[in-house]
Amino acid sequence: GAGVSQTPSNKVTEKGKYVELRCDPISGHTALYWYRQSLGQGPEFLIYFQGTGAADDSGLPNDRFFAVRPEGSVSTLKIQRTERGDSAVYLCASSLWTGGDLTGELFFGEGSRLTVL
Amino acid sequence: AQSVTQLDSQVPVFEEAPVELRCNYSSSVSVYLFWYVQYPNQGLQLLLKYLSGSTLVKGINGFEAEFNKSQTSFHLRKPSVHISDTAEYFCAVRDMDSNYQLIWGAGTKLIIKP
Repeated sequence: GAGVSQTPSNKVTEKGKYVELRCDPISGHTALYWYRQSLGQGPEFLIYFQGTGAADDSGLPNDRFFAVRPEGSVSTLKIQRTERGDSAVYLCASSLWTGGDLTGELFFGEGSRLTVL
Repeated sequence: AQSVTQLDSQVPVFEEAPVELRCNYSSSVSVYLFWYVQYPNQGLQLLLKYLSGSTLVKGINGFEAEFNKSQTSFHLRKPSVHISDTAEYFCAVRDMDSNYQLIWGAGTKLIIKP
């Protein structure tokens, strides 16, 4: 498709389980971002990829969270030993990158709503 | 560290009336400023952005915003709203203090009353 695609749109899991959330960015976009959005709050930065490598993972809350982008396109956010506090909407965004351009528009997916019971 | 404040969590306004959604940021260093909109059941999309130059920025759907450096504000305005403007609006700031990551406000829900 033309936009950023995220799957699943909804995920309900039990405390302690492992979860994977997938993001398929716009074709040709080298920059990919993961954000987390809790109810009543704005998006919170988690991690940013430039190509295959994580250029900035300073927003990951702890070592239960991990993300990969092995071929520089699709990315997977992985959460181990989920906790109730992980419940949120996880947003993925992509953008063109022209070396040092901080002014580019981010294109967002519709998000994956994670509920941990 | 940079922070972004959107004081109004909800703004109700009658159709065809003007509206202003407020955004203030904390740091006075050189910043890039953005407004994003999220329509019901859709992803966030860029409404407008301020990078440099003219302090009055025009965006899509008749919205505009004014950058005020002395007041560290970037308020969003529209002279006449429509039912289709019902959405949540987010202000975001990018600067060197935040390692150039976008720092987001909590959002303002615009509620259009017929």
